[in-house]
Amino acid sequence: KQEVTQIPAALSVPEGENLVLNCSFTDSAIYNLQWFRQDPGKGLTSLLLIQSSQREQTSGRLNASLDKSSGRSTLYIAASQPGDSATYLCAVPTPNAGGTSYGKLTFGQGTILTVHP
Amino acid sequence: EPEVTQTPSHQVTQMGQEVILRCVPISNHLYFYWYRQILGQKVEFLVSFYNNEISEKSEIFDDQFSVERPDGSNFTLKIRSTKLEDSAMYFCASRRRTAKNIQYFGAGTRLSVL
Repeated sequence: KQEVTQIPAALSVPEGENLVLNCSFTDSAIYNLQWFRQDPGKGLTSLLLIQSSQREQTSGRLNASLDKSSGRSTLYIAASQPGDSATYLCAVPTPNAGGTSYGKLTFGQGTILTVHP
Repeated sequence: EPEVTQTPSHQVTQMGQEVILRCVPISNHLYFYWYRQILGQKVEFLVSFYNNEISEKSEIFDDQFSVERPDGSNFTLKIRSTKLEDSAMYFCASRRRTAKNIQYFGAGTRLSVL
């Protein structure tokens, strides 16, 4: 059964710092890994999707890396800003019991990021 | 940019009442999902829907839950007799074809069962 874990649970940094959020998964047979942002009481905004064949994916100040063999992904945020404050979630598609469907996402518990001015 | 739309944003109901949560997925998407997030907990998968039938459901998705795609655009989640523990944020998601594609999520419906 796929388990997804995120470390740290919470992170507080001053504005301008570069930071790294970690995600680990127990079953390395994944198609891809998706990073999301969730603002308090709001929905999930997809930030990056990194395919299993990729090692990195970049969008603006965000860079996601993936190491399938070790079951890890990192989300690097450069030059953090107060507007980056949110919960960051990672998720992987997980097969059903028969292995015929890989659609559903298994989520980590998230990292709560606070960037203070 | 196309988006997944969910209504209502907040639903308050009495225990034992039926509720219907509504979703309009992105128009050219083929796979549809419901997830829920109890306050302070992980986002959990409930059910996936493809080709007008359930393709997978979790242990949470018992006989009190049902899904329907009544027309070409709406995708609904019905809870027949709500319990206090059904209080959560419910998210609808959709994606295009394969598991390699991004899942897009709606803003969620906050269900409060009193």
